[in-house]
Amino acid sequence: DAGVTQSPTHLIKTRGQQVTLRCSPKSGHDTVSWYQQALGQGPQFIFQYYEEEERQRGNFPDRFSGHQFPNYSSELNVNALLLGDSALYLCASSRRGQGAYGELFFGEGSRLTVL
Amino acid sequence: AQSVAQPEDQVNVAEGNPLTVKCTYSVSGNPYLFWYVQYPNRGLQFLLKYITGDNLVKGSYGFEAEFNKSQTSFHLKKPSALVSDSALYFCAVRGDGSSNTGKLIFGQGTTLQVKP
Repeated sequence: DAGVTQSPTHLIKTRGQQVTLRCSPKSGHDTVSWYQQALGQGPQFIFQYYEEEERQRGNFPDRFSGHQFPNYSSELNVNALLLGDSALYLCASSRRGQGAYGELFFGEGSRLTVL
Repeated sequence: AQSVAQPEDQVNVAEGNPLTVKCTYSVSGNPYLFWYVQYPNRGLQFLLKYITGDNLVKGSYGFEAEFNKSQTSFHLKKPSALVSDSALYFCAVRGDGSSNTGKLIFGQGTTLQVKP
């Protein structure tokens, strides 16, 4: 049973560029959430997708956008990269049917460095 | 507003001794509480959760956590620490009124160092 998979694992970009990160949820899961974890910090919620729509959003600018595909996989796009966007980006999946008491399953993350 | 506090940046314990990693929370309604562990350059692994019922919750790798509603705390414990338990530990919370099942509020994390 494959868990949450993310790609790429590492990438380096320069300021002003755009990046796309990808995530495949755990088998049987239909909901994907994205988190940003800056160095030495806890993960911060970016947004959540289910039924191919963004459902909830954290305190992140519109430069951060996403997409969910019919197979439940998801992409995170960040435009006009800033140095402060350097972080570990974590994808988490869950089942909507579990409601608020369901745990999230996390991928290994994509480490983004902006120079 | 929902929040989680982990008052200790680092906890040091000798192998074989009991360990405690502290967590306090603030949330509207009843809390759903979670502990995750993160090894270097890895994602987060789920350890255990409290939803309702018994205040002592047992989880993976011999870890347990004690929910205390009056003190709004959810401390992580293990009777006998292993060197391999050395990692970064995160406490997280979600209120039961939350319609956003994807959003967990995380603490800043506590580094556990177990020395041989």
